[in-house]
Amino acid sequence: QVQLQQSGPGLVKPSQTLSLTCAISGDSVSSDSAAWIWIRQSPSRGLEWLGRTYYRSKWYNHYATSMKSRISINPDTSRNQLSLQLNSVTPDDTAVYYCARSGKWGEVLDDYWGQGTLVTVSS
Amino acid sequence: DIQMTQSPSSLSASVGDRVTITCRASQSISNFLIWYQEKPGKAPKLLIYGASSSQSGVPSRFSGSGSGTDFTLTVSSLQPEDFATYYCQQSYSPPWTFGQGTKVEIK
Repeated sequence: QVQLQQSGPGLVKPSQTLSLTCAISGDSVSSDSAAWIWIRQSPSRGLEWLGRTYYRSKWYNHYATSMKSRISINPDTSRNQLSLQLNSVTPDDTAVYYCARSGKWGEVLDDYWGQGTLVTVSS
Repeated sequence: DIQMTQSPSSLSASVGDRVTITCRASQSISNFLIWYQEKPGKAPKLLIYGASSSQSGVPSRFSGSGSGTDFTLTVSSLQPEDFATYYCQQSYSPPWTFGQGTKVEIK
């Protein structure tokens, strides 16, 4: 079965870069039937879709418009993982960050989420 | 970007009540509409995809309908474990976007 294991720091200073990794087992980041997404969850903003990467003969990326200037989601085929980088963070970026595998309809099945990483932006 | 607007933002209901949450898209999204249930400290739980297809294992009291721009999530008989926040999300055109959520509270 698919398992997603997130790693990365839980505390980031303002203006610095948030970096998280999502290691995939039981599937391939290059799968032609999945897209790999990052979503965050906070009490003030609710659920927020950050972006996705997927492979269909070539790599595609899409990002939330509000994040476009400072976000990067990259696949690492050698390690079968994906990463999230968010630059110039502010306290407003404090949230629980999830990686997930989405299917044909964009849906994420219950077992296809990472464990979530609480990232606090604070000095 | 496609804007998703849910209503109401919150509601109070009793166990056994029928509850309906609406979600409106700023442009047609065909049936690329997903409903999630969110509880504190947990990943979102998939309820409905393709506007009306129920995820395996989701109780039959949850149903979804709609197409184009207007969608509904209905809980036919609210149970204690259903008190949570519900989100719609469009997956028709990137960037995918969520509604602002509907919090269902105990009356």
